[in-house]
Amino acid sequence: QSALTQPASVSGSPGQSITISCTGTSSDVGGYNLVSWYQQHPGKTPKVMIYEGNKRPSGVSDRFSGSKSGNTASLTISGLQAEDEAHYYCCSYATSRTLVFGGGTKLTVL
Amino acid sequence: EVQLEQSGAEVKKPGESLKISCKGSGYNFPNYWIGWVRQMPGKGLELMGIIYPGDSETRYSPSFQGQVTISADKSITTAYLQMSSLKASDTAMYYCATIRITRNLPGLFDYWGQGTLVTVSS
Repeated sequence: QSALTQPASVSGSPGQSITISCTGTSSDVGGYNLVSWYQQHPGKTPKVMIYEGNKRPSGVSDRFSGSKSGNTASLTISGLQAEDEAHYYCCSYATSRTLVFGGGTKLTVL
Repeated sequence: EVQLEQSGAEVKKPGESLKISCKGSGYNFPNYWIGWVRQMPGKGLELMGIIYPGDSETRYSPSFQGQVTISADKSITTAYLQMSSLKASDTAMYYCATIRITRNLPGLFDYWGQGTLVTVSS
């Protein structure tokens, strides 16, 4: 299995919306509704922001939302804030019966 | 409160072996999958493998199959990651994390250990 494909970087201004894509195959993203998204600030442990494609854990802002179309999942952050600047990783269950991460996307808030 | 406490930082020489631990508390340890995740300096997250402590079923990611050994001792609620013949390229932060089952399959990593920094240098 190969890592899921994410853009290396995205950027946006405060208040704007951005979307990060995560492209896999029918063996992972496309085959299961089990995509999760993680936020990682420098020097910190990852934090789950979205699971099962579009569900938010308790305590995660509703500015974060997820969706999927075919083999591509997306994370949208609306009303960008400075604190959203971080790396974001997608992850999916795969037919290998484990999980696979995306390469990660660095979000810069301008 | 769910907690995963990992063993401390390690400095090893090339060719040496290493076993790091992850002690779980605050939840029913045998009944939750645990994953080991590698993060090389400045790089992304890579799942190495997962283990179900209840019966020690282990699944390795293809890139790590045969390269590492994952085990668990449910009597002391601890999971382990073992690596041998270490190379400089094994220098990384290693995390353990619990995996929540959703839709009857491993769905997400919900609780993370603090990470164990492994440095391999001559």
